[in-house]
This record gives sequence, structure tokens and C-alpha cells, in this order.
Amino acid sequence: DAGITQSPRHKVTETGTPVTLRCHQTENHRYMYWYRQDPGHGLRLIHYSYGVKDTDKGEVSDGYSVSRSKTEDFLLTLESATSSQTSVYFCAISESASGPNYGYTFGSGTRLTVV
Amino acid sequence: RKEVEQDPGPFNVPEGATVAFNCTYSNSASQSFFWYRQDCRKEPKLLMSVYSSGNEDGRFTAQLNRASQYISLLIRDSKLSDSATYLCVPNYGGATNKLIFGTGTLLAVQP
Repeated sequence: DAGITQSPRHKVTETGTPVTLRCHQTENHRYMYWYRQDPGHGLRLIHYSYGVKDTDKGEVSDGYSVSRSKTEDFLLTLESATSSQTSVYFCAISESASGPNYGYTFGSGTRLTVV
Repeated sequence: RKEVEQDPGPFNVPEGATVAFNCTYSNSASQSFFWYRQDCRKEPKLLMSVYSSGNEDGRFTAQLNRASQYISLLIRDSKLSDSATYLCVPNYGGATNKLIFGTGTLLAVQP
């Protein structure tokens, strides 16, 4: 399996606090993505990165920010957590944007509960 | 209209049965497609890639109908271990490789 790990695996936090989720890869893949998954909505893209310090917004980016200071790490920050951000967060990596290797590999997910 | 639409199921089938799911997509620019499977409380994992009219891998066959904008997944001789949610994912290409996921179809294979 591809080397991709997410931390923490589970977190409970209080409304209004900042939270940072980490995605770490050992595959040297260029592309990294953060999704959230909620019942009835499937996987929705929050932010993505196409290189070090190159990031862009996805469809549900409000309330989230990201940073990628090195190839292997992609951080997702909830600036001030709200109950609507209770979700399962998945990080994914992709080697390229075309050709046979552009499918995603996902991390195991972070289950976040905001109380 | 959603970019990707799938029947959420559940599809309850006995072991050994053949089952098929359809997925419709709205953007005709889709260059290729993926089927992912996701087990309960786990991450999605790539099952198949479809680049032209279809693909076959063992008991699994994916077929693409570009004219009608749907893609199907056929599973033959269903196993208990096939129980999962199957996600249809069109790929529109582009420099950033963003994938849009369907909500998935739940398959439950019964003993």
C-alpha cells in the first residue's frame, strides 16, 4: 500500500477551537487532497495541492485553510471549529494528473467530532 | 442535476448472484472513470479504471456508454467479501486531477 498516514485518527474538540489535521506521505506524489465525507453527501473536496505552496479551494472550503510547506505534508486547519464540521476527513494523494497513475490513494481518515 | 448520480441501494443479493450498478454523469467531457469500493468506516480503495469502452478484471466488468453518459459495474458470482459501497468517479482531466465522487451504491451480499 502507498505510504500515506493521517493524524490524529480520532479527535473530539470544542466549538470555537482551532484544529489541525495532518496528512503525511512517503510516496513523493505531487498532488494531495482533503475531502470530507458525510452521510448523504459522499466525498466532497475541501482543498487540494498541486505542489509545494501551491494550493486551491474545493467545493466546501469555507472555514478551512491548508498549508503545504514540503512535498510530504499537507495540513488542514479548521480555523474555529463548528458542529457542522463534525465529519470524517480523508486525505488522498495522486502521482499525476493524467495517464495510468492518476487514481487516488486515500489515507485511513480522521474522525472529528465538534461538541 | 448532480455531476454523478448513483442508486444508493442497498442491493441485497445472495452469494453467487450477478449484480449490476449504474452510474450516470452529467459532464460529457469526462475522459475516464474509476470505480472505488469503500468498506464500512474505511477509506475508499481503487477497484477499477475505465479508459475506453470498458474494462474487465476477474469477476468485475465495467462498461462505459458515452452516448447515454452512464457507466456500469457488473459483479459476477458475488462473495460475502464484496459487501461494500461502490463509488463511481468520472475524471475530467486537467492539470489538478480533481475527482468528483458519487455518493455510492451499497451492496450487501447475503449468505
